Amino acid sequence: GQNIDQPTEMTATEGAIVQINCTYQTSGFNGLFWYQQHAGEAPTFLSYNVLDGLEEKGRFSSFLSRSKGYSYLLLKELQMKDSASYLCAVLLGYSGGGADGLTFGKGTHLIIQP
Amino acid sequence: DGGITQSPKYLFRKEGQNVTLSCEQNLNHDAMYWYRQDPGQGLRLIYYSQIVNDFQKGDIAEGYSVSREKKESFPLTVTSAQKNPTAFYLCATTGTQPGANVLTFGAGSRLTVL
Repeated sequence: GQNIDQPTEMTATEGAIVQINCTYQTSGFNGLFWYQQHAGEAPTFLSYNVLDGLEEKGRFSSFLSRSKGYSYLLLKELQMKDSASYLCAVLLGYSGGGADGLTFGKGTHLIIQP
Repeated sequence: DGGITQSPKYLFRKEGQNVTLSCEQNLNHDAMYWYRQDPGQGLRLIYYSQIVNDFQKGDIAEGYSVSREKKESFPLTVTSAQKNPTAFYLCATTGTQPGANVLTFGAGSRLTVL
């Protein structure tokens, strides 16, 4: 089966930096996604990594190491609005594109304290 | 504005009743998906459709049915055969390249069985 692990909950302080890790063991790999989901709302796309290395997008960065089956999401200059769940998802090697081969982790609930 | 509309936002159902959740999109996306989200669990794929008049079972299709008669619409019926239907249901789409794997989500429908 497919296995994606993330911490269940993390707490950080406003203005600080936090790193949310995601490790995966899957039968295929065609990219890794991070989504943000505020309570009771729809997930929104943050980043997509398919090659090793760091992708930076403003205050958010995402890193991938395919050989280690590991990714992290780095959030800088934390704001109260960053309190949300962060979902890691792996796209398996399905043909035809689309998202039918996407497997989600259980999500990390991030709490930002003043 | 382009987007995905899910209705109703909240729905209560008695045991033994079928209910239909609506999902309408004006993004002109070909592929549409239904996910189920339970507390402490990752998103799980129920059904997906890549073109009109065609759909495929996801990982947890038992007790659910769908139709795709129009490109814009992908309703989900939760039947009485679904043993534990209380959950948050998310409809999503994916577009064409680039970004064909990036999911855009609707705001969700929360179903509670009384």
